[in-house]
Amino acid sequence: EIVMTQSPATLSFSPGERATLSCRASQSVNSNLAWYQQKPGQAPRLLIYGASTRATGIPARFSGSGSGTEFTLTISSLQSEDFAVYYCQHFNNWPPRYTFGQGTKLEI
Amino acid sequence: QVQLQESGPGLVKPSETLSLTCTVSGGSISTYYWSWIRQPPGKGLEWIGDIYYSGSTNYNPSLKSRVTISEDTSKNQFSLKLSSVSVADTAVYYCAAIVATDDAFDIWGQGTMVTVSS
Repeated sequence: EIVMTQSPATLSFSPGERATLSCRASQSVNSNLAWYQQKPGQAPRLLIYGASTRATGIPARFSGSGSGTEFTLTISSLQSEDFAVYYCQHFNNWPPRYTFGQGTKLEI
Repeated sequence: QVQLQESGPGLVKPSETLSLTCTVSGGSISTYYWSWIRQPPGKGLEWIGDIYYSGSTNYNPSLKSRVTISEDTSKNQFSLKLSSVSVADTAVYYCAAIVATDDAFDIWGQGTMVTVSS
């Protein structure tokens, strides 16, 4: 079973700053990695898939990078609406299973 | 575009079966991958299972013995049944879909809170 680890659990930044969030896989997942943003009381929203492809409608300040076991979500200049919880997610082909990291809360 | 809406009881008694339905609009349930994902209060996301290609299913091994996901193509709906529930199954349950990506959930329902309590 592949385990996705996000650390730290909480990150504190100020608006306008650059934020880098990390996600580590317990074994190589190639580029099968997605990032989601979740705000209180809302469903998660897909930001990045395939490690680096922005989903439809996602602002260019969000970017993803990495492959293998180390992945990064970067928000180039934090806006007030970006303070939320971020999850990474991997799909394992066999046995078929989707696994989420435990999340990183981005706070002001 | 594809939209999802969960429905079902918000309260289930321990040992009983939790039943939820997701209604799909803007797309055919015979296409794409359709999942159930849950989130206990204050905790992270857990994939429960999915259904695709007219009835094929995959389940999270940790829940497999208690989970059944099925579809009703005439109503363009898919459903979740989770048996023998306990307090640990209290969560917001989301239905989600993979439509425009290979393996990431790009469409989500709003979620429905299910509480297990006597």
